[in-house]
Amino acid sequence: EAGVTQFPSHSVIEKGQTVTLRCDPISGHDNLYWYRRVMGKEIKFLLHFVKESKQDESGMPNNRFLAERTGGTYSTLKVQPAELEDSGVYFCASSQDLVGTDTFFGQGTRLTVV
Amino acid sequence: AQSVTQLDSQVPVFEEAPVELRCNYSSSVSVYLFWYVQYPNQGLQLLLKYLSGSTLVKSINGFEAEFNKSQTSFHLRKPSVHISDTAEYFCAVSDLTGSRLTFGEGTQLTVNP
Repeated sequence: EAGVTQFPSHSVIEKGQTVTLRCDPISGHDNLYWYRRVMGKEIKFLLHFVKESKQDESGMPNNRFLAERTGGTYSTLKVQPAELEDSGVYFCASSQDLVGTDTFFGQGTRLTVV
Repeated sequence: AQSVTQLDSQVPVFEEAPVELRCNYSSSVSVYLFWYVQYPNQGLQLLLKYLSGSTLVKSINGFEAEFNKSQTSFHLRKPSVHISDTAEYFCAVSDLTGSRLTFGEGTQLTVNP
């Protein structure tokens, strides 16, 4: 069974440009999460989808970030326009149910804004 | 809201030595507790978790952690480490809905020969 897949693995963009990160969760997992780790700090929650609906987006830093999950399958996270402080590693994770089941993480996308 | 503190950012040890990675948490509600590991160039992997029952939980590769409610701690231990245990370890908590995880800042464990 394939794990959580993220694309691209690395992205270097200039300030002001747009970047779109993609996440393919494990098949059958209704829950999909985005997290971010900035400059070696803690991994912080960004948002949570249940199928195609945003369950909790309280961690999204500002309106330059837009997450979608069309059809309840893969998800995209768009940053537009990117700022220097958006640099970091963006992790996607998925889980089948909530209580008691494991959350599986992708390898992350390392975003560098220059 | 919850918070997690990992007391050591870097832990260097020699091979076959014991190790303890410390984790304390703060929460106004009951929580589930997790340790995740990130090996070089890989994603986060669940190492072990405490949901309920026995406060001592173990992983398949020899790590164990004990939930101490009175001290709000969930320290990770291994009696004898290997070079291959070199990785970054993250302590995390969630509330009992099991949704979002709150992570600590991570502890880099480096095992030297």
